[in-house]
Amino acid sequence: NAGVTQTPKFRILKIGQSMTLQCTQDMNHNYMYWYRQDPGMGLKLIYYSVGAGITDKGEVPNGYNVSRSTTEDFPLRLELAAPSQTSVYFCASSYLDRSTDTQYFGPGTRLTVL
Amino acid sequence: GDSVTQMEGPVTLSEEAFLTINCTYTATGYPSLFWYVQYPGEGLQLLLKATKADDKGSNKGFEATYRKETTSFHLEKGSVQVSDSAVYFCALSDQGGAQKLVFGQGTRLTINP
Repeated sequence: NAGVTQTPKFRILKIGQSMTLQCTQDMNHNYMYWYRQDPGMGLKLIYYSVGAGITDKGEVPNGYNVSRSTTEDFPLRLELAAPSQTSVYFCASSYLDRSTDTQYFGPGTRLTVL
Repeated sequence: GDSVTQMEGPVTLSEEAFLTINCTYTATGYPSLFWYVQYPGEGLQLLLKATKADDKGSNKGFEATYRKETTSFHLEKGSVQVSDSAVYFCALSDQGGAQKLVFGQGTRLTINP
């Protein structure tokens, strides 16, 4: 199993540009998550999904959109990129929604908005 | 809301030293507690967890005990190795609904030979 994969690894955007961060998992997990990690800070939840066709907002959803058309894929869309969105983005997945469950993380995408 | 506070880093130790990384939390319910580790260039991976008070999580020589009375989950290892150099994150997940992790800010650990 490849686990959770993310593309691209690095990206530089200009202010106002748009892009999609890709996330795929091959573990047949129902639950998927997007986090951002700002320098010196912990990860913050952007959006999550409990299954195909179902998504919900996390702590910091403004400026982002998501979709979940398949179990495997959970892309994160940035519209009108702003410098405040410069961050490292992590995708994660888990099999169940219990508070005790383990989340599996991808390697991250480092995004810079100039 | 829920929050996690970790000791500030970076932390630098010599090989075979004793390690403690402090973690305290604030939560309204009875959360599950986790330590995740991030090695250079990789994503986070679960190191250990504890799901109820007085539980001890352990893995790879690391241990942490869920202390409800002090709302703490400190990470310890008796003898660190160079390969333990990484960033360590304490996190909690409150019960009920989807698992929405709340993370501390992370502690960067460097072990010198």
